[in-house]
Amino acid sequence: LAKTTQPISMDSYEGQEVNITCSHNNIATNDYITWYQQFPSQGPRFIIQGYKTKVTNEVASLFIPADRKSSTLSLPRVSLSDTAVYYCLVGYNNAGNMLTFGGGTRLMVKP
Amino acid sequence: DTGVSQDPRHKITKRGQNVTFRCDPISEHNRLYWYRQTLGQGPEFLTYFQNEAQLEKSRLLSDRFSAERPKGSFSTLEIQRTEQGDSAMYLCASSLEITGSNNEQFFGPGTRLTVL
Repeated sequence: LAKTTQPISMDSYEGQEVNITCSHNNIATNDYITWYQQFPSQGPRFIIQGYKTKVTNEVASLFIPADRKSSTLSLPRVSLSDTAVYYCLVGYNNAGNMLTFGGGTRLMVKP
Repeated sequence: DTGVSQDPRHKITKRGQNVTFRCDPISEHNRLYWYRQTLGQGPEFLTYFQNEAQLEKSRLLSDRFSAERPKGSFSTLEIQRTEQGDSAMYLCASSLEITGSNNEQFFGPGTRLTVL
C-alpha cells in the first residue's frame, strides 16, 4: 500500500481557502486518492476521491498532478465547522479493501 | 436514521472482563468493516465481512478478538480478557459494492472502550 505524508496540523481563518497537500511517491497505477474528514468523537466521513487531474464536488476540490505523486485537497471559504482531521488515503478502488489511514492533518479554523 | 449505528457508545470495564460491541450497518450494504482508533492516531483496520463471510483479518486482531456477522446484517465484535491496551475507539463502517463507484465507506459513531 502506498504510504502517504501530510502536514500534522494547519491553522486558517474563516472565509479563507485551505489547501492540504499529501505526498504519495510510490502510488501504484491502479491506486485512487481518497480524502476523509473526521470530527471529534465521530467516525470519518468521505469527502472526495480522484484518480487524476481535478475533481470537484459540493464540498471540496481535489487536484492531482500528472505524475500523481501528490495531491491537494482544497476547501473553499472554510468556516469554524470545518475544524477537523483530514486524512489522505491511497489504494486500489475495491470495495473489499480496508482503508489505511495515516495520522491525518488537524485543521483548526479560527474566527 | 438510516446511517451506521453502534452500541454501546461508551463502555468502561475492568481488566480481564469480556466485552461485546454491536454494529448495525446501512441496510442494503453488503460489506462491513471494523477499525480501531487510539487517541491522536488514524483508524486501523481490524477485519471486514462480505455478507456473512469474514474475508480479511488484520494482524492486530489477536485471538482475544472475535467478530461475527451471522446473518449478513448486524455484526458483533467481542474482546475477551480485556487489557488496558485495548482501550480505544472501535469504529464500524459499511459499504455497498458497486462496480465503478468510489466504494465509499460509511462510518458509525464508534464505541469508546476504557479498560481500567
